[in-house]
Amino acid sequence: EDQVTQSPEALRLQEGESSSLNCSYTVSGLRGLFWYRQDPGKGPEFLFTLYSAGEEKEKERLKATLTKKESFLHITAPKPEDSATYLCAVHPGGNTGKLIFGQGTTLQVKP
Amino acid sequence: DADVTQTPRNRITKTGKRIMLECSQTKGHDRMYWYRQDPGLGLRLIYYSFDVKDINKGEISDGYSVSRQAQAKFSLSLESAIPNQTALYFCATSDFGGRGSYNEQFFGPGTRLTVL
Repeated sequence: EDQVTQSPEALRLQEGESSSLNCSYTVSGLRGLFWYRQDPGKGPEFLFTLYSAGEEKEKERLKATLTKKESFLHITAPKPEDSATYLCAVHPGGNTGKLIFGQGTTLQVKP
Repeated sequence: DADVTQTPRNRITKTGKRIMLECSQTKGHDRMYWYRQDPGLGLRLIYYSFDVKDINKGEISDGYSVSRQAQAKFSLSLESAIPNQTALYFCATSDFGGRGSYNEQFFGPGTRLTVL
C-alpha cells in the first residue's frame, strides 16, 4: 500500500537552531515528491518538487533532498516566521490526480 | 488577486441541507481537485477533473458530487450534509506535466464547513 509518513509530528526550535524534517514514503513508482508549507487556516503553499534520488532544491533557509525511500527538509538558522506545518506529498505514478499526503510536521520557532 | 479562489470561506449549515462550495482559478490550468482536511487524517482527495469532460472520484467521494462548469470553475456539492462532513475543504489546480511527469498542485485558501 502506498504510504507517506512524516516525522516528527511536532518540532520546537530556538531561533537559529538548525534541524531537519523527515518524509518517508512507500510507493509503487514515484513520479514526484512535493513539499508544502501550511499556515493555520490557510491553504498549503507549494515549496519544492523533487523527481529523482539525489536531487536537491533550495529556497532561502530551506533545502529539500530526496533518496529512494525518504526526503528531508533541512531548515538552516530558522526564524519565527518559519513556524508552520510542513506537508510532504508523493505522486505514486499512473494517470490519476491522486497525491498521497503525509500528516505533516508542525514547526514552532521561538525567538 | 489570488490565483485560486474559494467561496464561501466559512459556512455553517444544518444536517440534511444541500450546499455548494465553489472554486475558480485564473492560472489557466486544466486540472482541478477537491480535498478535505481533518485533524489527524491529513488531506484526502474527494474528486478530481483533468478537463471539463473528465471527472473522476477520489478516495472519499461518497456523499459528494462535483460539477466542472468551465476550465476555470469546479464546484463541490454536499447533497445532504451530515455532521461528519465538518472539515476544511480545499480546491487545487495543476498543469499537465507532460507524459510521464506530474506537476505540483496549487491550493486555494479553503472553506471551513461546519455541519450541525
